[in-house]
Amino acid sequence: QVQLVQSGAEVRKPGALVKVSCKASGYSFTSYAIHWVRQAPGQGLEWMGWINAGNGHTKYSQKFQGTVTITRDTSTSTAYMNLSSLRSEDTAVYYCAREGAARSGIDYWGQGTLVTVSS
Amino acid sequence: DIQMTQSPSSLSASVGDRVTITCRASQSIARDLHWYQHKPGKAPKLLIYAASSLQSGVPSRFSASGSGTDFTLTISSLQRDDFATYYCQQSYSIPLTFGGGTKVEIK
Repeated sequence: QVQLVQSGAEVRKPGALVKVSCKASGYSFTSYAIHWVRQAPGQGLEWMGWINAGNGHTKYSQKFQGTVTITRDTSTSTAYMNLSSLRSEDTAVYYCAREGAARSGIDYWGQGTLVTVSS
Repeated sequence: DIQMTQSPSSLSASVGDRVTITCRASQSIARDLHWYQHKPGKAPKLLIYAASSLQSGVPSRFSASGSGTDFTLTISSLQRDDFATYYCQQSYSIPLTFGGGTKVEIK
């Protein structure tokens, strides 16, 4: 079965960087894109960017340009999300999620990783 | 960016009620609209893709319709397991955008 398993909770100070991993299994990793979506406390879902796991091409939300970097390692079927210059407003649960087949939505999600930014 | 506006932002309903949630896009998105259910502490779950197609394993009490700018999600007979927040999301253009969510609470 398809699974996306994310790394554990992180605590960082303002200005630091965090790296969250997302290990995929149960499907051909390079055949699907991976999104990163976050949810701040009391807020809705916010799309950050995605990566074509096959060719490594990325697209980011303008809001996160310059602070987020999404990469992947095909040898381990793992996607990564780096977020730099952290601020308290970046405190959120971060999800990786798989884009389904054409026009079929985001069909599988990781369990979420809580990132807390606090001095 | 395409703005997605959901209404209502919250509603109270009883088990067995018919519930309808609407989602409006700021420009036409054809049928590139998907619906998710999100419960606290869990990952979002895809319910409906491409405006009206039921995701595998999702109960048939969930249905959806629409195209262009106006979309609806209907739960025909609300069950206890359905109390959650529902989001619409467009995939017509990057950046992907979500509606603000509709929280369905127990009356």
